[in-house]
Amino acid sequence: ETGVTQTPRHLVMGMTNKKSLKCEQHLGHNAMYWYKQSAKKPLELMFVYNFKEQTENNSVPSRFSPECPNSSHLFLHLHTLQPEDSALYLCASSQDPGGDGANVLTFGAGSRLTVL
Amino acid sequence: GQNIDQPTEMTATEGAIVQINCTYQTSGFNGLFWYQQHAGEAPTFLSYNVLDGLEEKGRFSSFLSRSKGYSYLLLKELQMKDSASYLCAVRDSNYQLIWGAGTKLIIKP
Repeated sequence: ETGVTQTPRHLVMGMTNKKSLKCEQHLGHNAMYWYKQSAKKPLELMFVYNFKEQTENNSVPSRFSPECPNSSHLFLHLHTLQPEDSALYLCASSQDPGGDGANVLTFGAGSRLTVL
Repeated sequence: GQNIDQPTEMTATEGAIVQINCTYQTSGFNGLFWYQQHAGEAPTFLSYNVLDGLEEKGRFSSFLSRSKGYSYLLLKELQMKDSASYLCAVRDSNYQLIWGAGTKLIIKP
């Protein structure tokens, strides 16, 4: 257990479905992140929230919609996805997204998404 | 563009030493990170280097040369549980993390 919990761990959905991924952190961190991890590719940063405010959106398609109701919870709403969106979606949190210092990321175990 | 290079896969023997290299070209530098990721699990933080030199932490050490854009992760006395992917990441001048694709390390008995 890392202190960052993601549900569900596995999700299979059709291209017309709507589903959501959930992330919860129990570390008292101020920043939360969504990353996409595809096989043999670098981690792709999708969204960053700092104190519940979205501070980054890395040109992510609108079929991915994040929501951060408070500093401990983060959602990724999925709608009309494409097969190429199949990947591992990782949530992470950190104390402070900017500035000096290590600002180590703590990751959840991920949600494995398969789009049929 | 910004780029992090690390080998895709390496194989080593239990009890031996292995060095995983990482080279980078980024817009500025504000630290280099190594993370370990076991299959099906969360990436976990291993080390952080911001100054040149070697940082030792038990069986794991991480080295940085900023002038060469180069780092390595050294694993000693390898154990089967060290079989995992090792991710190198550099924080650039905008404090953005640039990630490598990871090195899958296979440990054989």
